[in-house]
Amino acid sequence: EAGVAQSPRYKIIEKRQSVAFWCNPISGHATLYWYQQILGQGPKLLIQFQNNGVVDDSQLPKDRFSAERLKGVDSTLKIQPAKLEDSAVYLCASSLDGTRYNSPLHFGNGTRLTVT
Amino acid sequence: EDQVTQSPEALRLQEGESSSLNCSYTVSGLRGLFWYRQDPGKGPEFLFTLYSAGEEKEKERLKATLTKKESFLHITAPKPEDSATYLCAVHRKGQNFVFGPGTRLSVLP
Repeated sequence: EAGVAQSPRYKIIEKRQSVAFWCNPISGHATLYWYQQILGQGPKLLIQFQNNGVVDDSQLPKDRFSAERLKGVDSTLKIQPAKLEDSAVYLCASSLDGTRYNSPLHFGNGTRLTVT
Repeated sequence: EDQVTQSPEALRLQEGESSSLNCSYTVSGLRGLFWYRQDPGKGPEFLFTLYSAGEEKEKERLKATLTKKESFLHITAPKPEDSATYLCAVHRKGQNFVFGPGTRLSVLP
């Protein structure tokens, strides 16, 4: 089966600019996650979707980050305006059913964002 | 607050030199503990899920075990291709995954 697809792979922007990331999950996976991974740290959840509804966005900096999952498939994550501390890898993951505890995450290869 | 710590932070082994990585957690109502492998420039790749104390899972040179407070990832006779960062994550009912910071493993030929 095809894995989780993400684009772009790399992005360099100046602070205060905006940026968007795209994710296409594994076909049939109901749950989609966006994680932020800062160098040397484990992934930190930003937002979780179940189909096209938001399940958990408690750690999303809503003053600058937004995400949507139209039609319960693809998703976009946007940052506007970007800050230096947003430099990180943004990982998208999907699972068959995030409401089941035995449903592991499958990750894409991420987008590496550098804010200068 | 749920916490996941991993040790050591980094580990260098000679090829064939067996060792263990540790994942300690403070979580009540653990639903599952997950191990992932992450190669540079890639997303984490799922390895194992453990659900209850005493459980063990094996895959090639890797064996994961679980107690009530920690999990170990044992690497037997490692090869250079086992070099990667190993992440553990805990999943609690009604909560999302909490990841540890990872252990960077280097296996030298």
